[in-house]
Amino acid sequence: KQEVTQIPAALSVPEGENLVLNCSFTDSAIYNLQWFRQDPGKGLTSLLLIQSSQREQTSGRLNASLDKSSGRSTLYIAASQPGDSATYLCVLLEASGSRLTFGEGTQLTVNP
Amino acid sequence: NAGVMQNPRHLVRRRGQEARLRCSPMKGHSHVYWYRQLPEEGLKFMVYLQKENIIDESGMPKERFSAEFPKEGPSILRIQQVVRGDSAAYFCASSPFQAGEQYFGPGTRLTVT
Repeated sequence: KQEVTQIPAALSVPEGENLVLNCSFTDSAIYNLQWFRQDPGKGLTSLLLIQSSQREQTSGRLNASLDKSSGRSTLYIAASQPGDSATYLCVLLEASGSRLTFGEGTQLTVNP
Repeated sequence: NAGVMQNPRHLVRRRGQEARLRCSPMKGHSHVYWYRQLPEEGLKFMVYLQKENIIDESGMPKERFSAEFPKEGPSILRIQQVVRGDSAAYFCASSPFQAGEQYFGPGTRLTVT
């Protein structure tokens, strides 16, 4: 059974800092990996999707990497802003392509 | 192209009543997934449906819960005889094909009093 762990569970940083969120998973037989953000009381916004054959994806100030062999992914956020404050979720699509497995999330607070 | 729509956004039910949650997938998407987020917990897969078929319901409780995705109309997640432990946010996602990127709706927040 796939298990996804995110570290740290919570993170508070001053504005402008670069930061890294970590995700580890137990089963490397994945179809793809996505990073989402979830704002309080709201839905999920997809940030980046990495196919299992890819190593990284970039979008603006965000960069996500994937190392299937070690079961790890990182989300790098450059020059953090207060608007980045949210819960960040690491989500795997299993190889069968039928279900997503979610990490518990990292709650990020960026202080002005 | 409208995104995934869920209604109602908020639903209050008394114990023992039925809850019906609706999900309209994005246009052109025939694959629908339901997830549940209990308070202070992560999202958990419940069920995966294609038009008129349940593909994977391994994450759904065996009793009181059912889901359908008819040929016409939205997907429905139905919870009979609700209990307080059913209080959660229920999210629906859709994709154009199996293993396609899933797009999430805003969720329905169910409160059982």
